[in-house]
Order: sequence, then C-alpha cells, then structure tokens
Amino acid sequence: GQNIDQPTEMTATEGAIVQINCTYQTSGFNGLFWYQQHAGEAPTFLSYNVLDGLEEKGRFSSFLSRSKGYSYLLLKELQMKDSASYLCAVRDSNYQLIWGAGTKLIIKP
Amino acid sequence: ETGVTQTPRHLVMGMTNKKSLKCEQHLGHNAMYWYKQSAKKPLELMFVYNFKEQTENNSVPSRFSPECPNSSHLFLHLHTLQPEDSALYLCASSQNEDTDTQYFGPGTRLTVL
Repeated sequence: GQNIDQPTEMTATEGAIVQINCTYQTSGFNGLFWYQQHAGEAPTFLSYNVLDGLEEKGRFSSFLSRSKGYSYLLLKELQMKDSASYLCAVRDSNYQLIWGAGTKLIIKP
Repeated sequence: ETGVTQTPRHLVMGMTNKKSLKCEQHLGHNAMYWYKQSAKKPLELMFVYNFKEQTENNSVPSRFSPECPNSSHLFLHLHTLQPEDSALYLCASSQNEDTDTQYFGPGTRLTVL
C-alpha cells in the first residue's frame, strides 16, 4: 500500500529552527508538496519538490531525496504565527495525491 | 486569500436532513475537488471534476452526491448522513487535473447528529 509518515506533533521555541520530516512509500513519484494549515482554515501551499535537493523560500526550505523516499520542511526564525499543522503530500505514478496525516507544530515563547 | 470560497462554514444536520455544500473558485481553474478531513487522519479524496466532467469517485457512499454545473462551481449534496460523516469538507481547485498545485477553500465543518 501507499503510505506517508510524518510526526503527529512537534514543539519548538520562538526564534528557533525546526525540521519536520516526511517519509513516503508510493507507487511511483511525480512530486512532493508541503502545505500549511492553521486551525479552522484552508491548507495553503508552501512548496513543491520534484528533483533532489533543497528549495528555499524565505524562512521556509524544503528538501527532497527520492532515493531515500524522504523530505523535510525546515522553518527558521520561528514566529508564533507558524503554529499550525504541516501536511506532506506525494503525487504517485497515477498523478494521485497521497496525503500524510499532518504534523501539528506548537511554538512556545 | 486563496480564491476558493465555501459555504456554509459550519453545518449541523440530523441524519434525515438534506443539505448542500457549495464551493466557488475565482482562479480560472479547470479542475475541482472534494476532500474529507477527519481529525488526525490524512485528507481523503472524494470526487474530482475536470472541465465539469467527473473523473474520480473514490468509492464514496451514495449519500454524498456531487454536482458541477460549470468550472467555477462545485456542490456536494448530502442526504441521510451518518454520525461518522462528521468532518471538515474541503474544496480545492487546480489549473489542470493531476499536474498542478491544488488551492483549497476554508472548508465546511459538518456535524451530523
């Protein structure tokens, strides 16, 4: 079966750095997405990786290793507003999006 | 500001009621999606429409009935639901099916009593 694994919950301190990991086992690979979802709000697109390596976008970066079936989302200079759930999704060989259950990130002052 | 709106934002209904959820996208996209989001579970794809034609129905019970009158509007008609159908129902759209980033609406929080 197809599977996306990410930690259920993480806690970090304001101003610090946090890395949210995502491992996947899918039938084929056509890209990996990260979304941010604040409680009661829409998931919003953060990043897309289809080739190995690091994609940087301001305070957020996303890394992909296709050979290891692994990605991470790196958040720097954490702010209180970064408290949210972070969803990892992989597009498989049929171009279906397979979703992880999300990582709830709690930022403490 | 995602360009995808959903109404109502909250809905409480009994098991014998009939109600409809509405989604509208203002992004000029061709594909629209319905997802179910339950607590601590992955998003579940329910239906996909591409250029108003249904292209995906992920074994969804017939008590959920989608309708897509045009590329900008998507409805989900609900009847004789069960308490386990209580969840957040999210609508999304993308430029084209399969290959493009999906943009989500804020969802309808549904409670079935």
